[in-house]
Amino acid sequence: AQSVTQPDIHITVSEGASLELRCNYSYGATPYLFWYVQSPGQGLQLLLKYFSGDTLVQGIKGFEAEFKRSQSSFNLRKPSVHWSDAAEYFCAVVPSGSARQLTFGSGTQLTVLP
Amino acid sequence: DVKVTQSSRYLVKRTGEKVFLECVQDMDHENMFWYRQDPGLGLRLIYFSYDVKMKEKGDIPEGYSVSREKKERFSLILESASTNQTSMYLCASRRTGTGYNEKLFFGSGTQLSVL
Repeated sequence: AQSVTQPDIHITVSEGASLELRCNYSYGATPYLFWYVQSPGQGLQLLLKYFSGDTLVQGIKGFEAEFKRSQSSFNLRKPSVHWSDAAEYFCAVVPSGSARQLTFGSGTQLTVLP
Repeated sequence: DVKVTQSSRYLVKRTGEKVFLECVQDMDHENMFWYRQDPGLGLRLIYFSYDVKMKEKGDIPEGYSVSREKKERFSLILESASTNQTSMYLCASRRTGTGYNEKLFFGSGTQLSVL
């Protein structure tokens, strides 16, 4: 079955440390890929998206993500985490050329220690 | 700045009640969506609408209906609320643009508790 998986339910990092959040998908062809962030009490906000071309995508708030076709992955990274990055992060996909809407992963909760 | 407004932040209802969740967007977007968010399950699409008076079922439409009489407003209706509909409900909108790669704009959510 087609799906998107975020294997880490909860991640804790210290402020200033680097961060990588994992996302894997299982679709026949490369889908459109997204990362959204949900701060406490807020709706979701788009961080970045990938459709084609350069496999390293830059987003807002200093985040980037790398698409790896061989691993069916689209991991989110940040070199130095800030306390304000504490939030829940969702990977989402739309199968390319499909009429289907976004399918979201189950989310990764990020805690940042001072 | 773009805005998607959900009428209630918290809502408490009783089993069997009819519940209306309202969502308004001020961006003249054609597409609107209702998701529910549950711990460990992420966001799941309930219904969406491409245009006024148009609606499409998402992945989990059972127990829900929707109404889109005006472009800016998209209502989610629970005809007879049940305890398993206790959840966070998120509304989103998106312009049609060049396809399904346009980003979604989300409201802040309505936390519904059904007792």
